[in-house]
Amino acid sequence: DQQVKQNSPSLSVQEGRISILNCDYTNSMFDYFLWYKKYPAEGPTFLISISSIKDKNEDGRFTVFLNKSAKHLSLHIVPSQPGDSAVYFCAANGGFKTIFGAGTRLFVKA
Amino acid sequence: DTGVSQDPRHKITKRGQNVTFRCDPISEHNRLYWYRQTLGQGPEFLTYFQNEAQLEKSRLLSDRFSAERPKGSFSTLEIQRTEQGDSAMYLCASSPPTELGDGYTFGSGTRLTVV
Repeated sequence: DQQVKQNSPSLSVQEGRISILNCDYTNSMFDYFLWYKKYPAEGPTFLISISSIKDKNEDGRFTVFLNKSAKHLSLHIVPSQPGDSAVYFCAANGGFKTIFGAGTRLFVKA
Repeated sequence: DTGVSQDPRHKITKRGQNVTFRCDPISEHNRLYWYRQTLGQGPEFLTYFQNEAQLEKSRLLSDRFSAERPKGSFSTLEIQRTEQGDSAMYLCASSPPTELGDGYTFGSGTRLTVV
């Protein structure tokens, strides 16, 4: 029962360009959608979130877009930097439980 | 405060043995979560505490798993009679009593290998 899906296992982007990470979900009752970043040998780090009643949230180089009709959200990173290379998890809150996607590994090439 | 601490970082155990992991959350966080992550997958929810009360438990948490949070501070996760399928990264996270959109703070995890 994969309620949160990240269909791209990896993404490679040139430094300075835009990175777009995608996520689909199935449950319309989620309250918040979140993105976490994970480096090797570390736990995930919270990056940015969006309430289900909004369609866009921006924080510096990171913007999350929510399309409720399509049950789709995306994370845009502009401009991408080599330090952004990590695994990015899309997640959704339902009650006090957060459900994570399988992750997308982002490579930013210098 | 140094964030969420987990101990040990790595544990290798023989099948059938019991193991216990410890998590020390950020002191002012009343919510504590345990997740499990296997290779190529995202973290899977195991259980949730609000203060000392265990309020939610995944069906993934079989009878061999038990978690406690005495006095609402640190938490322990015990796995009895370990099986090879229990090999995974066990992650602890905590959050304050604010909006759920503020995210969790995760520890670095305990990597369990059952041989």
